[in-house]
Amino acid sequence: KAGVTQTPRYLIKTRGQQVTLSCSPISGHRSVSWYQQTPGQGLQFLFEYFSETQRNKGNFPGRFSGRQFSNSRSEMNVSTLELGDSALYLCASSLRGAHNEQFFGPGTRLTVL
Amino acid sequence: QKEVEQDPGPLSVPEGAIVSLNCTYSNSAFQYFMWYRQYSRKGPELLMYTYSSGNKEDGRFTAQVDKSSKYISLFIRDSQPSDSATYLCAMSAAGGGNKLTFGTGTQLKVEL
Repeated sequence: KAGVTQTPRYLIKTRGQQVTLSCSPISGHRSVSWYQQTPGQGLQFLFEYFSETQRNKGNFPGRFSGRQFSNSRSEMNVSTLELGDSALYLCASSLRGAHNEQFFGPGTRLTVL
Repeated sequence: QKEVEQDPGPLSVPEGAIVSLNCTYSNSAFQYFMWYRQYSRKGPELLMYTYSSGNKEDGRFTAQVDKSSKYISLFIRDSQPSDSATYLCAMSAAGGGNKLTFGTGTQLKVEL
C-alpha cells in the first residue's frame, strides 16, 4: 500500500507570495492533519480535516488555511508569506477521525527568501 | 512552559546498549501516547502507540506510560547504528480528534 505523498517536496518563495501544498493520504484514510516543523518550535499542529470538514485548528494566523476534497486529498495554503514561515510542512493521514495511528508523509520543505 | 517536555540530547551510546528516552507532560487530558522516529530529511515514522498507563512491547522497543507521574518512556534494547535518529514523543487528548502535541525530540546516535 502506498504511503502518504506530498508535493512538491521542495519550494522556494519570496516574502509576500502565497503557496499551496498538496497531500495525498494512504488509500482508505479519511483524516488528514497538517503540521509545521521548525528547529526552534519543533512539530506544531496546524489543522485537521475529516470527511472534508475542518475538525481542529492550531494556533496559527489566518494566513494558514486548508481544505480537503471528496477523495480525501488535502491542500494547505499560506498567503502573504513571511520569512518565519520557512519550515518543513508535514501531512499525516489516519483511518478514522480520532485517536488513530497517524502516518506521516516526507514533508514539503518551504524556504521563504 | 511547554505541554510536553523532552530532553533534546544529543544522546550518544555504544552499539548494543539499552537506550532510555523520556517525556514528561503537564496536560492530564492526554490519554493516547506515541513515539515516532525521524531520520534526517524524512517524515516521522510511527514506532509505538499506546493508550493510557502500562507497558507495550514490540521487538526491541518497549513503551511505558505512567499517567500518575505524567511520564512516558521508550526503551530500545540492543541498539544498532541504524537506530541513530531523532525520537519524538507525541500525545493526544480525549475529544481532541487526531491533534497531536509533540515533544521537541531527542537526537540519538548509536556508535560502532
